[in-house]
Amino acid sequence: DGGITQSPKYLFRKEGQNVTLSCEQNLNHDAMYWYRQDPGQGLRLIYYSQIVNDFQKGDIAEGYSVSREKKESFPLTVTSAQKNPTAFYLCASGTHSGNTIYFGEGSWLTVV
Amino acid sequence: ILNVEQSPQSLHVQEGDSTNFTCSFPSSNFYALHWYRWETAKSPEALFVMTLNGDEKKKGRISATLNTKEGYSYLYIKGSQPEDSATYLCAFIVDNFNKFYFGSGTKLNVKP
Repeated sequence: DGGITQSPKYLFRKEGQNVTLSCEQNLNHDAMYWYRQDPGQGLRLIYYSQIVNDFQKGDIAEGYSVSREKKESFPLTVTSAQKNPTAFYLCASGTHSGNTIYFGEGSWLTVV
Repeated sequence: ILNVEQSPQSLHVQEGDSTNFTCSFPSSNFYALHWYRWETAKSPEALFVMTLNGDEKKKGRISATLNTKEGYSYLYIKGSQPEDSATYLCAFIVDNFNKFYFGSGTKLNVKP
């Protein structure tokens, strides 16, 4: 089936550890995105990539890093520099020109 | 960071009631407005992509209108059903840079 796969769905980490969230898509989309959601807030853009080997910071990129070595994959690393990493993370992909984007099912990260 | 506001934050209606929600966005640099439906434990799914002032879109009992000059979009659900229960997100897309700015959503609960 075509779609976006995020893993893991639930992740617990100790404070100070880096953690990487996986996002894979088989929709042949050029653009991929990472969003974060906190309670009562909308989805906020962390990073986005419009093409392989290129990515841009979103509105809340501090404490996060990404790579886009393959079209299908856009992993997000939550570093120890991120002050409040506990959140729900959504990955998405889409074609260019503002067309519909497609979402994964999300990853819950809890840092203790 | 652009401000996209949705109201109300939550809504409880009886089966058969008709309802509507609002998405407000900046009236400058408009490229597109999207509506997504997000059921619990699932991925958000696209409902409508709206690009022109005065656009009206319809899918079954759900319809949406767009006013880009004053910066708002309405989503209407006619004769709500329990299966309509979900969070409805709107996303404002700026120019053609594929940056989606999401509202915090309207959570609809339809009681049988």
